[in-house]
Amino acid sequence: QQQVRQSPQSLTVWEGETAILNCSYEDSTFNYFPWYQQFPGEGPALLISIRSVSDKKEDGRFTIFFNKREKKLSLHITDSQPGDSATYFCAASTEGADRLTFGKGTQLIIQP
Amino acid sequence: GPKVLQIPSHQIIDMGQMVTLNCDPVSNHLYFYWYKQILGQQMEFLVNFYNGKVMEKSKLFKDQFSVERPDGSYFTLKIQPTALEDSAVYFCASSRDRANERLFFGHGTKLSVL
Repeated sequence: QQQVRQSPQSLTVWEGETAILNCSYEDSTFNYFPWYQQFPGEGPALLISIRSVSDKKEDGRFTIFFNKREKKLSLHITDSQPGDSATYFCAASTEGADRLTFGKGTQLIIQP
Repeated sequence: GPKVLQIPSHQIIDMGQMVTLNCDPVSNHLYFYWYKQILGQQMEFLVNFYNGKVMEKSKLFKDQFSVERPDGSYFTLKIQPTALEDSAVYFCASSRDRANERLFFGHGTKLSVL
């Protein structure tokens, strides 16, 4: 059973548009949700994160919206740039735990 | 910014041989991790290591796996003997605090077991 699910698997948007990446989870004890960005040939890098006490986290063009009741969250990337083209991983963990549970990722392509 | 280095980037070995994957974590970090990613699948937690000890391991961390960081040198993942299903990309990560804080990942070592 996959604990963290991401959709879509692949997404293409035009430069300047808003890209929306979705994530859902199963385990209600999860309370920390980081998003990692990975470029080809590199390791994942932390982009933005949110804790379950919040319903929104914003950092520049990147915003996480979190719905605890539905166990869903989404990453919005406004004014998409070609340099945002990457794979985005949603992850989750529980307070006090040292492991992150990752989704399979969404491959985002920004068309100029 | 801080970088985690992994050596080698690609390793090809015959089934049954031993392999050691090396990781040079960020210098002031105290927590170290290995994750495994099979092609097309999600990254999965293998093990975390702190203060010279394994703190937690998953069911993927088989008896053939071991980790160590002797005298502050490389943080290593050893597989002995290897099996075909061990073929994957192995990511090392480190953090100053716990995983609920920022993890820094290496580029990964692609292990191909033939």
